This record gives sequence, C-alpha cells and structure tokens, in this order.
Amino acid sequence: AQSVSQHNHHVILSEAASLELGCNYSYGGTVNLFWYVQYPGQHLQLLLKYFSGDPLVKGIKGFEAEFIKSKFSFNLRKPSVQWSDTAEYFCAVYTGTASKLTFGTGTRLQVTL
Amino acid sequence: ETGVTQTPRHLVMGMTNKKSLKCEQHLGHNAMYWYKQSAKKPLELMFVYNFKEQTENNSVPSRFSPECPNSSHLFLHLHTLQPEDSALYLCASSQWDGGTEAFFGQGTRLTVV
Repeated sequence: AQSVSQHNHHVILSEAASLELGCNYSYGGTVNLFWYVQYPGQHLQLLLKYFSGDPLVKGIKGFEAEFIKSKFSFNLRKPSVQWSDTAEYFCAVYTGTASKLTFGTGTRLQVTL
Repeated sequence: ETGVTQTPRHLVMGMTNKKSLKCEQHLGHNAMYWYKQSAKKPLELMFVYNFKEQTENNSVPSRFSPECPNSSHLFLHLHTLQPEDSALYLCASSQWDGGTEAFFGQGTRLTVV
C-alpha cells in the first residue's frame, strides 16, 4: 500500500528564513502529488499540485515544490517565510487506487517575528 | 468558504448517544470522502463515495455508518462511540476522474465523553 512520510514534524523558523519541508512516498507507479496547508482554525486547502510535465511546480503564496522521481520525493520550498505562513502542511499522494489521497502526518510550521 | 459545508462544527457526545455529522458540497463533484484527523497521525481515509455508491470502507468500525443519499450530501452516523474516537472529522469532495484537487470542509470537532 502507498504511504507518505513527512520527516519534519515541527519546524520553527524566523521570518525571512528559507523553508524546505520533506515529503517522500512509497509507490512505484505514476503518482499525482499535492501539498495542502491548514491555517489555524481553517480548512485544508490546496497549496500546489504536480500531475506531469515540469517537475518544479509553483503554488500560491510563493511556495514551490520539486518532484524528484528517482528519490520518490516532493519537497516543499519557500525562499523567505512570513509570520502568516504559520500553519500545518500536509503532503498527499494520489495513485489512482479507488480515487483516494494518502496523506502524510503533517508538519507544523511556526514562524517567529 | 470552500464549497464544502460541514455541520455541526463541534459536537460533544456520550458513549451511548447517537448523533450524525452532515456534509454538503455545492461544487458539482461526484465523489465524496470522510477523513479522520487525529493529533500526530496522518489523515485517515474512512469512506469514499462515487456517484452515491460506496467504493471504499477503510476498515472502519461499524459504530461509524456513512450515508450518501445523493452526490451533494454525505452523512456520518455515530453510535456507541469510544473516547478514542474523539478527533476532527473532515469531509471532502472531488471529481471522480481521479487525481484532481479535493476540497475540504472545515470539519467537525468530535469529543466523546
């Protein structure tokens, strides 16, 4: 069965620092990849997604992610975080099995002023 | 506002109670999902409905009973729950053709006492 690993459970950064959150998945076939964000008290919302084509995808709010097939990874990056980026970030993988998304455990990002 | 509305937002119930969670989507999607979000665990997929037909039951205990009367509405009926069932229950919807973005509701925070 597919699985998703997010190795960073809690990350604390100062404003303007660079961010990279790791995401690895286990599945040998074609995948669609997603990053979702959950701001405090709000619903999960899509940050960015990769289906095919350019492995470097750009999302909202200056986030980007790179799909590296050989490493089964889809890491999320942002060059300069803001206090408003404080949230929980979830990586998810879709493999076409029963049309379901498999999520990682999430990474809580705390940005300090 | 995501187009997916869940009610109630908070629910406290005793172990002998029966209650229902409701989800409604106004996005014209044909697939709906229940997820359970517990602290420090991945989002757990519970049920998947495609065009009102249940296509996935992810080994969920029978004390959780889903109902999907049409493509826009999804219910989760609860009875004789356990304290460990306390969690945030999320509803989501998407198009069934696979791999597309899932839209989430804000969730119902359930506490079983």
